[in-house]
Amino acid sequence: KAGVTQTPRYLIKTRGQQVTLSCSPISGHRSVSWYQQTPGQGLQFLFEYFSETQRNKGNFPGRFSGRQFSNSRSEMNVSTLELGDSALYLCASSPSRLNYGYTFGSGTRLTVV
Amino acid sequence: AQSVTQLDSHVSVSEGTPVLLRCNYSSSYSPSLFWYVQHPNKGLQLLLKYTSAATLVKGINGFEAEFKKSETSFHLTKPSAHMSDAAEYFCVVTLNSGGSNYKLTFGKGTLLTVNP
Repeated sequence: KAGVTQTPRYLIKTRGQQVTLSCSPISGHRSVSWYQQTPGQGLQFLFEYFSETQRNKGNFPGRFSGRQFSNSRSEMNVSTLELGDSALYLCASSPSRLNYGYTFGSGTRLTVV
Repeated sequence: AQSVTQLDSHVSVSEGTPVLLRCNYSSSYSPSLFWYVQHPNKGLQLLLKYTSAATLVKGINGFEAEFKKSETSFHLTKPSAHMSDAAEYFCVVTLNSGGSNYKLTFGKGTLLTVNP
């Protein structure tokens, strides 16, 4: 059974650019969440999608957005990149919105220069 | 509101000795609690979870944790550390009611070092 797949694994972007990260959840998983991990702030919740709808959003500016497709795959987009957006972005999937625990992908390491 | 406090940012043990990683939580409702492990340059792996069933939870790789409501604690233990246990460990809480069980709140993490 394939795990959560995130692409790309590594990304280098310039300030002001935009970036799109992709997440393919485990087959059958309908809930997808995104987290940002930095040394200073730790792991912070970005947003959660279920059935193609954003169900909740964390405390991030509007430059951070996402979407979920009918096959449960999800993308997140960051526009007008800032140096502080450099982080490991982790995607997690779960069968439903109940607490079965989330399975995380290996993440996308974004570096903004 | 919910929060998690991992009481030690770094724990160092010798191989073969017990491991104790401490976690206290705060939650307005009945919480679900998890421990995740992250090895360098890897994603997060679920070690174990508590979701209001048995208070002593057994996980993978010999780890276990005990939910103590009176102490609002969920400490992670292992009887004998192995070199491969060296990693960062995260205690995580989420709510169990009110439709808010989608958001995981992470502790700051505890870095476990295992010395030969």
